[in-house]
Amino acid sequence: EAGVAQSPRYKIIEKRQSVAFWCNPISGHATLYWYQQILGQGPKLLIQFQNNGVVDDSQLPKDRFSAERLKGVDSTLKIQPAKLEDSAVYLCASSQYSGGPTGELFFGEGSRLTVL
Amino acid sequence: AQRVTQPEKLLSVFKGAPVELKCNYSYSGSPELFWYVQYSRQRLQLLLRHISRESIKGFTADLNKGETSFHLKKPFAQEEDSAMYYCALDEYGNKLVFGAGTILRVKS
Repeated sequence: EAGVAQSPRYKIIEKRQSVAFWCNPISGHATLYWYQQILGQGPKLLIQFQNNGVVDDSQLPKDRFSAERLKGVDSTLKIQPAKLEDSAVYLCASSQYSGGPTGELFFGEGSRLTVL
Repeated sequence: AQRVTQPEKLLSVFKGAPVELKCNYSYSGSPELFWYVQYSRQRLQLLLRHISRESIKGFTADLNKGETSFHLKKPFAQEEDSAMYYCALDEYGNKLVFGAGTILRVKS
């Protein structure tokens, strides 16, 4: 089966500019996640969707970050305006979770953002 | 807040030597714990989960609630085991909290 697809793989922008990342999860996966991974740290959850509804966005900096999952499939994560500390790899993941714990998240290759 | 601590950033061992990657957690309920692995130029992927009590690629991990630990072990390291390993805790609803990760380097 096709894995989680993300684009772009790399993006370099200047601070205060905007950027958008796209994710296409594995077909049929109800849950979609965006994680932020800063160099030297583990992935940190930004937002979790169940179908097209938000389950958890408690760690999403809502003054500059936004995310949507239209029609419960693809998702877009946007940063506007970007700050230097937003430099990180943005990982999208999906799972079949539908009420019981499974623990298996399927990750994309990530989008590496550098803010200058 | 729930936390996952991996005290070692880097663990370097010789091929054939035993490996133990440490993971400690803090969680108020019954934890669901996992190990994820990222090989060079590959995606982050699930290695094993404590609830399955399985051995994957020779690795095992035992949940010790008394010590709040979930260390990953392998009796004889192979060069292909070189990778980044992340311990993760499922808070609820498949929401994973990851540790900072440990690089395992297996030398020949």
